[in-house]
Amino acid sequence: ETGVTQSPTHLIKTRGQQVTLRCSSQSGHNTVSWYQQALGQGPQFIFQYYREEENGRGNFPPRFSGLQFPNYSSELNVNALELDDSALYLCASSPSGGRVETQYFGPGTRLLVL
Amino acid sequence: KQEVTQIPAALSVPEGENLVLNCSFTDSAIYNLQWFRQDPGKGLTSLLLIQSSQREQTSGRLNASLDKSSGRSTLYIAASQPGDSATYLCAVIIQGAQKLVFGQGTRLTINP
Repeated sequence: ETGVTQSPTHLIKTRGQQVTLRCSSQSGHNTVSWYQQALGQGPQFIFQYYREEENGRGNFPPRFSGLQFPNYSSELNVNALELDDSALYLCASSPSGGRVETQYFGPGTRLLVL
Repeated sequence: KQEVTQIPAALSVPEGENLVLNCSFTDSAIYNLQWFRQDPGKGLTSLLLIQSSQREQTSGRLNASLDKSSGRSTLYIAASQPGDSATYLCAVIIQGAQKLVFGQGTRLTINP
């Protein structure tokens, strides 16, 4: 059974560009959540996808968007990148039923916006 | 709005000491509380989960307590080892929500 994987591991972009981050959920998990972790801070909830539909969203602007595919993998898209978007982006998957306390986290993608 | 605070932000102790990490939250209507460990450049590993009806959970040298009425949780680490060096995060799940609300973490260093 493979764990949660994320790609790429690191990414450098310039202000105004667009970025797509990818997450493959753990086998059998149909719920994916995305979190943003700024340096020295705890993760902040961006949104959750359950069976390909958005199932909750945190306090992030619409330029943060997502997708979940039939195989339950997911993408996080960020448009018009800002310097403050520099952070570690974490993906977490959970089993059928979407119980948050059974989330498994991936290693994250570190995004640097210059 | 639920806010989670962890004190101290950083802690450095010699190997072998027992230590306590603190977590406080503003809204007692939580579903449960989790403690995580984060190693540099890595994702989060769940250490202990305390249901809202429970007072404490233990796993090996780790013991976590929960006092909902006062909005506090503690993580007790016994006989600390250099391998315990990491950032420790607490997170609460609000009743009816499907997200974790995290504190900012405590960066722990155990000196050999």
